[in-house]
Amino acid sequence: NAGVTQTPKFQVLKTGQSMTLQCAQDMNHNSMYWYRQDPGMGLRLIYYSASEGTTDKGEVPNGYNVSRLNKREFSLRLESAAPSQTSVYFCASSEAFAGVRDTQYFGPGTRLTVL
Amino acid sequence: AQSVAQPEDQVNVAEGNPLTVKCTYSVSGNPYLFWYVQYPNRGLQFLLKYITGDNLVKGSYGFEAEFNKSQTSFHLKKPSALVSDSALYFCAVSSDSWGKFQFGAGTQVVVTP
Repeated sequence: NAGVTQTPKFQVLKTGQSMTLQCAQDMNHNSMYWYRQDPGMGLRLIYYSASEGTTDKGEVPNGYNVSRLNKREFSLRLESAAPSQTSVYFCASSEAFAGVRDTQYFGPGTRLTVL
Repeated sequence: AQSVAQPEDQVNVAEGNPLTVKCTYSVSGNPYLFWYVQYPNRGLQFLLKYITGDNLVKGSYGFEAEFNKSQTSFHLKKPSALVSDSALYFCAVSSDSWGKFQFGAGTQVVVTP
């Protein structure tokens, strides 16, 4: 049982390049989330998916798109990377629909640098 | 709107001494409160949560937290800190009226031998 996995672990991009961060969970969870972590700012929600087939914006969605490919997988795409998107990105999942009360379980993170 | 405050950027404690990490919150509706720990270059690990019931919640690795509704606080505690407890700790809040998590900025705990 791997929990939440993320690929890649590290990535360096040039300004304007695009890339997709992959996330998968094997816990049969309904809800999945993408966060970014910046020093002194905690974690900020980018997008979330309350169930398969639905996605919604979080606190900082600009510059990102997401796809809930199936129940297991939730990808985050940067269409045209900017230095302000340099951050550590975490994927998380939780069991219940919308996950109000439910514990979120986190992946190991992707460290992204945009030059 | 909901918010979480962790008033201390860093907490320093000697091994064997009690450890407290503070968290206060503001929400509409009933609060659901969580503590996570992050070790260097790792993801967040769940420690404990308060949903309802007993105000004292026990969690992993000997940690506990006390929900105080009147002070809108949810402080994390450990009676005797270990060097291995050195990490970054996050408080998070959710509520009936807003289903997403709001994380605090984090508190770095440093336990010295």
